Amino acid sequence: KQEVTQIPAALSVPEGENLVLNCSFTDSAIYNLQWFRQDPGKGLTSLLLIQSSQREQTSGRLNASLDKSSGRSTLYIAASQPGDSATYLCAVPYGNKLVFGAGTILRVKS
Amino acid sequence: DAGITQSPRHKVTETGTPVTLRCHQTENHRYMYWYRQDPGHGLRLIHYSYGVKDTDKGEVSDGYSVSRSKTEDFLLTLESATSSQTSVYFCAISELRDQANTIYFGEGSWLTVV
Repeated sequence: KQEVTQIPAALSVPEGENLVLNCSFTDSAIYNLQWFRQDPGKGLTSLLLIQSSQREQTSGRLNASLDKSSGRSTLYIAASQPGDSATYLCAVPYGNKLVFGAGTILRVKS
Repeated sequence: DAGITQSPRHKVTETGTPVTLRCHQTENHRYMYWYRQDPGHGLRLIHYSYGVKDTDKGEVSDGYSVSRSKTEDFLLTLESATSSQTSVYFCAISELRDQANTIYFGEGSWLTVV
């Protein structure tokens, strides 16, 4: 059974700080891993999709890494801004579904 | 934004009544999903569809049924709503199996069963 864990559950940082969100999964036989952002009262928006053959993906100030052998992924956010405040979820495919972590609630203080 | 519309967005219903949530897409994607999101559980798959009239169960399918008579519409029905089905329901679509490309989510439907 695939289980996905995200640490920390919540994070509060001052504006401008670089930060790392962690995601770990128990079954390393994954096709890809996705990071999502969820704003309060909204749906999920895909931020980055890393294929199993890749080690990194970058989009603007976001950089996601994937280490299948250790069952870990990190989402690095550079120069954080108050607009980055949201819940960040990672997910991996398992059978015909995505298995999600519980998310990290990020608050960036101005 | 991906063309996904969920309706209703908010609903309060009484225990024992049937409820139907609708997901409509304009992307012509093959795969459609219904997830529920609850504190402490994250998102869990209820049912999914891989084509018209082709559906299958997810991990929390008890008490729910689905139908897909057209590519663009995927309906989730709570046959007899219970308080444990109070949740936020998300529809999602994907073109490929295994979500090898991006999966898109709707805005959610907030359901309260009293």
